[in-house]
Amino acid sequence: ETGVTQSPTHLIKTRGQQVTLRCSSQSGHNTVSWYQQALGQGPQFIFQYYREEENGRGNFPPRFSGLQFPNYSSELNVNALELDDSALYLCASSLASGYEQYFGPGTRLTVT
Amino acid sequence: QKEVEQNSGPLSVPEGAIASLNCTYSDRGSQSFFWYRQYSGKSPELIMFIYSNGDKEDGRFTAQLNKASQYVSLLIRDSQPSDSATYLCAVPGGGADGLTFGKGTHLIIQP
Repeated sequence: ETGVTQSPTHLIKTRGQQVTLRCSSQSGHNTVSWYQQALGQGPQFIFQYYREEENGRGNFPPRFSGLQFPNYSSELNVNALELDDSALYLCASSLASGYEQYFGPGTRLTVT
Repeated sequence: QKEVEQNSGPLSVPEGAIASLNCTYSDRGSQSFFWYRQYSGKSPELIMFIYSNGDKEDGRFTAQLNKASQYVSLLIRDSQPSDSATYLCAVPGGGADGLTFGKGTHLIIQP
């Protein structure tokens, strides 16, 4: 059974640029959630996708957007990057909405 | 908005002792609770989840839930140096079934 994978591992971008992060869910899981984790803090919920539809959103601006594909993999897009967007971005998959969530290794984004 | 509170620590426990980690939550309607372990520089790993009042045991780990007091705890028996990590408590409710996390408790097991 393949776990949750994310790419890339690390990324450095300049303020104002756009970035796309990718996630493949665990085999059999149809729900993907994205989180942002700043240093020393717990993860903060960005949004969740269930069967290719956004299923809920945390307190993040519209420049954070996402997609889920028919194979349940997902992308997180961030436009107009700000310095405060520097964080660990985590993807988690679950069997369905409401079930236990399992995290991928994360993507470390640095905005300079 | 749902809130989850944890003592950030560090909590220092001698090897072989019981480590007790605590978490309180604001929403009385919360039905499920999750404990994640996060090593420095790594992603969170799910170690326990509990849905009903009382205790749930899995190996050296025991989760305890008291819904009346809005309190959930994690006990680690026979603590090992490899248990040194940050432990995150989470409840659903960040939007749909997104999780709301506490800031985590940094646990140090002293050899």
